[in-house]
Amino acid sequence: DAGVIQSPRHEVTEMGQEVTLRCKPISGHDYLFWYRQTMMRGLELLIYFNNNVPIDDSGMPEDRFSAKMPNASFSTLKIQPSEPRDSAVYFCASSRTSNEQFFGPGTRLTVL
Amino acid sequence: AQSVTQPDIHITVSEGASLELRCNYSYGATPYLFWYVQSPGQGLQLLLKYFSGDTLVQGIKGFEAEFKRSQSSFNLRKPSVHWSDAAEYFCAVVLNYGGATNKLIFGTGTLLAVQP
Repeated sequence: DAGVIQSPRHEVTEMGQEVTLRCKPISGHDYLFWYRQTMMRGLELLIYFNNNVPIDDSGMPEDRFSAKMPNASFSTLKIQPSEPRDSAVYFCASSRTSNEQFFGPGTRLTVL
Repeated sequence: AQSVTQPDIHITVSEGASLELRCNYSYGATPYLFWYVQSPGQGLQLLLKYFSGDTLVQGIKGFEAEFKRSQSSFNLRKPSVHWSDAAEYFCAVVLNYGGATNKLIFGTGTLLAVQP
């Protein structure tokens, strides 16, 4: 299995621009998670989906952040407009109902 | 509120020495517990997990962890550390509320340095 795939691996953008991060979960996994990792706040769960439906988005910092999962094999996390404080590494993870989450390599976002 | 505490932010050990990384959790019910490792610039890799049964669990790369309910702990151990073990280690617990599981809560991580 290819594991969780994220793209791009690195993104550098200017403040105010729209940023879209992409994730392909492991085939057959019915849960998908988006996390953010920063030095100050550590690993934070932003949102997670079950069977393509958002279950808990309480970790999404503000309305500038949105996430979608149009089908079982694809999810996006969008930031519009981006701000320098959004600079972080964003991880996608997927799992079956066994609770064991498999993480992607992450997208390192830098907002100038 | 449920939480995970890793009291050691940074630990340095000599190669070949034994290692123990501490993890304490605050959770009312029997937790699902995990240890993940993150190498620089990489994602998180699962080392081991505890759901139920034998309280001593074996993981990959020679790691093991012991669940102690009386101490609310799930410490990670390795008898002999290798230089390649230098990484950041995260303890995590799954929240189980209303029958819906899968929400992982992570500790703040312990950064392990290995001296030659």
